Amino acid sequence: TAGITQAPTSQILAAGRSMTLRCTQDMRHNAMYWYRQDLGLGLRLIHYSNTAGTTGKGEVPDGYSVSRANTDDFPLTLASAVPSQTSVYFCASRDLGSPNEKLFFGSGTQLSVL
Amino acid sequence: AQTVTQSQPEMSVQEAETVTLSCTYDTSESNYYLFWYKQPPSRQMILVIRQEAYKQQNATENRFSVNFQKAAKSFSLKISDSQLGDTAMYFCAFMIWGAQKLVFGQGTRLTINP
Repeated sequence: TAGITQAPTSQILAAGRSMTLRCTQDMRHNAMYWYRQDLGLGLRLIHYSNTAGTTGKGEVPDGYSVSRANTDDFPLTLASAVPSQTSVYFCASRDLGSPNEKLFFGSGTQLSVL
Repeated sequence: AQTVTQSQPEMSVQEAETVTLSCTYDTSESNYYLFWYKQPPSRQMILVIRQEAYKQQNATENRFSVNFQKAAKSFSLKISDSQLGDTAMYFCAFMIWGAQKLVFGQGTRLTINP
């Protein structure tokens, strides 16, 4: 079972350029999330989606946008990248109907904005 | 707002020793979940252990156990008979029952020395 697939694994991006980080899950989970991981700050929620067609803002949404056209895909877009967006980005999902509240994570995307 | 604090940025112990990682959290809610995640150098996020706030009994998973003190809002992780493969970043996390957001602490980098 693939679980959650993120692409690319890593990317170097020039400041001012746009970029879409891809996330696909094959578990039919209704909820999906984007986190960024920064040293000393842990993981912080950027955006989330409870179901296809709906999205919500997390703790650090500025500079990012998401869409949820279907259950499986949850892309994260940086419209005009800035160096402070250098981070490791994790996509995650969970089944809101599950009693154990377990979150499943992708392997992350290392993004460097220069 | 809910916050999670891990006061130990780094720890190191010898193989086979027991180590305890600290975590405190702040919330006014009474129903929630607490988690410990492990992130080895592979970057994968792995759920180590989970605790429901309504359960008084401390969760245990093989060599991993927690000391959950609800009144003190403390959730420490004890690793017994530590192994080289336990070397990783460890994140404490918190989720209000029925909420969307998993809130992470800053992380503790644990090194197990041979």
